[in-house]
Amino acid sequence: QSVLTQPPSVSGAPGQRVTISCTGSSSNIGAGYDVHWYQQLPGSAPKLLIYGNNNRPSGVPDRFSGSKSGTSASLAITGLQAEDEADYYCQSYDSGLSGPVVFGGGTKLTVL
Amino acid sequence: QVQLQESGPGLVKPSQTLSLTCTVSDNSISSSYFYWNWIRQPAGKGLEWIGRIYTTGSTKYSPSLKSRVTLSLDTSKNQFSLKLSSVTAADTAVYYCARSNYTYGYTWGQGTLVTVSS
Repeated sequence: QSVLTQPPSVSGAPGQRVTISCTGSSSNIGAGYDVHWYQQLPGSAPKLLIYGNNNRPSGVPDRFSGSKSGTSASLAITGLQAEDEADYYCQSYDSGLSGPVVFGGGTKLTVL
Repeated sequence: QVQLQESGPGLVKPSQTLSLTCTVSDNSISSSYFYWNWIRQPAGKGLEWIGRIYTTGSTKYSPSLKSRVTLSLDTSKNQFSLKLSSVTAADTAVYYCARSNYTYGYTWGQGTLVTVSS
């Protein structure tokens, strides 16, 4: 059971928009800690996709965006492409008993 | 762009100690700006944070693994290491080393598969 809750799977057709939610609590996202998002392509290591809630590292297309409100965060992907099919993880920090670093359980994005 | 590379045995016997080393491509391991982490991922499952070490040697561990984990740092070699004792089959996973800070998230190594089996 992950501290941050993500839907196990989402799907969309090419060109569509999808969102992935990440729900936390008052000891992590709700405490003001930043949320980062990672993309993990099949057989590869995770790669930073969004940092500091809504910032893209150099090289990440602007089709990817992040937001945060209250105890939750979201990743949005517009203009869905086949190469976006991957697992996506949110990550934040926690001041409670779960440890200082927490991950979501991951969401499998399928491009139909 | 910093690169991180994990190394160590790919097979460990049950009850023994898993030992991995991460080599960092630059000398940012001496910087006060970063933490140095270990994270693992069992096959088909999500990411589990194991622990982190700071340049001062200060450590933080996952509560669920704390009794079995030791992290260390060797700035002269640009390396940091993980030891996980009393391993079982449940410790079989891909182990990643990663650099992090609170603002910019994690930069990951490529990962190394460790299998616990007799």
